Amino acid sequence: EVQLVESGGGWVQPGGSLRLSCAASGFTVSTNYMSWVRQAPGKGLEWVSVIYSGGSTYYADSVKGRFTISRDNSKNTLYLQMNSLTAEDTALYYCARGYYGSGSYSDAFDIWGQGTMVIVSS
Amino acid sequence: QSALTQPPSASGSPGQSVTISCTGTSSDVGGYNYVSWYQHHPGKAPKLLIYAVSKRPSGVPDRFSGSKSGNTASLTVSGLQADDEADYYCSSYAGSTNLGVFGGGTKLTVL
Repeated sequence: EVQLVESGGGWVQPGGSLRLSCAASGFTVSTNYMSWVRQAPGKGLEWVSVIYSGGSTYYADSVKGRFTISRDNSKNTLYLQMNSLTAEDTALYYCARGYYGSGSYSDAFDIWGQGTMVIVSS
Repeated sequence: QSALTQPPSASGSPGQSVTISCTGTSSDVGGYNYVSWYQHHPGKAPKLLIYAVSKRPSGVPDRFSGSKSGNTASLTVSGLQADDEADYYCSSYAGSTNLGVFGGGTKLTVL
């Protein structure tokens, strides 16, 4: 079964760090483009970061310089290292797999995890 | 990147059709044919409904359709069903050096 399972969320104090993990099964992370998306309480979805199969990475301005997306091919797992966390980073974090519609890049994401909650508070 | 503009709410009765708009700029919606739509039931994983403006992944009913005119994309849900009640988000590619951008979301209520 193709699925993504996030973990690593929790409560952290402002200025702290967390590393989120996204374990994939049924497909290979390294041959797909993958993304992290978050949803703050009562708010909409927000793109956080994306990593392409070639290794290129991109970040939202709100997290640039603080968050790092990476993957471990041997573990077929996607990561998001989050440093210097602030209350504005409090959100449910989803990982998602890029979709190749009709075999072509689509900039869409078809497989999503259930999310892991991050709470930044003193 | 500014968020795409969606109406905060939409509604319709079972069996009716409803259209949700998504307005951006020539730097995102209007500039590329990479608009996608997601259905999100609270507490569940978002579901891809439409990609590349108007294409449906396998398994998505043809009651869901997408289109684009200029800087505005639209999602139409026909034959409304109770389970269609959810939040709907559009997303667009915004250039090779940027992440995509989401709309603010539209809460669809089935009356």
